Amino acid sequence: DVKVTQSSRYLVKRTGEKVFLECVQDMDHENMFWYRQDPGLGLRLIYFSYDVKMKEKGDIPEGYSVSREKKERFSLILESASTNQTSMYLCASMPPSGTGYNEQFFGPGTRLTVL
Amino acid sequence: ILNVEQSPQSLHVQEGDSTNFTCSFPSSNFYALHWYRWETAKSPEALFVMTLNGDEKKKGRISATLNTKEGYSYLYIKGSQPEDSATYLCAPYRNSGYALNFGKGTSLLVTP
Repeated sequence: DVKVTQSSRYLVKRTGEKVFLECVQDMDHENMFWYRQDPGLGLRLIYFSYDVKMKEKGDIPEGYSVSREKKERFSLILESASTNQTSMYLCASMPPSGTGYNEQFFGPGTRLTVL
Repeated sequence: ILNVEQSPQSLHVQEGDSTNFTCSFPSSNFYALHWYRWETAKSPEALFVMTLNGDEKKKGRISATLNTKEGYSYLYIKGSQPEDSATYLCAPYRNSGYALNFGKGTSLLVTP
């Protein structure tokens, strides 16, 4: 079975802190994604990556950056956390065909609270 | 960003009822549509990936249809069970990169 893991289920940080959210997948998928989920807004794409060291902005990239140094790991970085970044963050990966026909596999999510 | 509408926003049915929800999306430049089920405290899981107009897919008591010409998909659950309680998300595949565009979901509650 495909497994996508995220470094923390719950995280509490203070305003202004630099925050790293880690995601690891074990199925050699080339495509990886970071979403945030907020009540009433659904899943919104922050960044995605279709290869090592490649990244593309999603719909809401402001205040975030990403790193993909290895194929299996995709990190989301909050350079200076703010309270409006309190959210549930989900990572996903997708098989390499890249045609949109393959499903995405999601991690368990990290619920981040910024105080 | 694709405009994806899901209705209803939430639904409460009794065990044994059949139900259905709608996903509407732009019909132009259609590539594929994904349906996911997201249970509380779990990760979203794919139900269907649909690509062709007229497609019908089935998994147990859950089925889905696709109309790409008019831009909608229906998800049906026959004989709902409490374990079907979840948020159901649809996501058309956008034609730039490999990113999906998720709707806000339909939250289903099935009570015994």
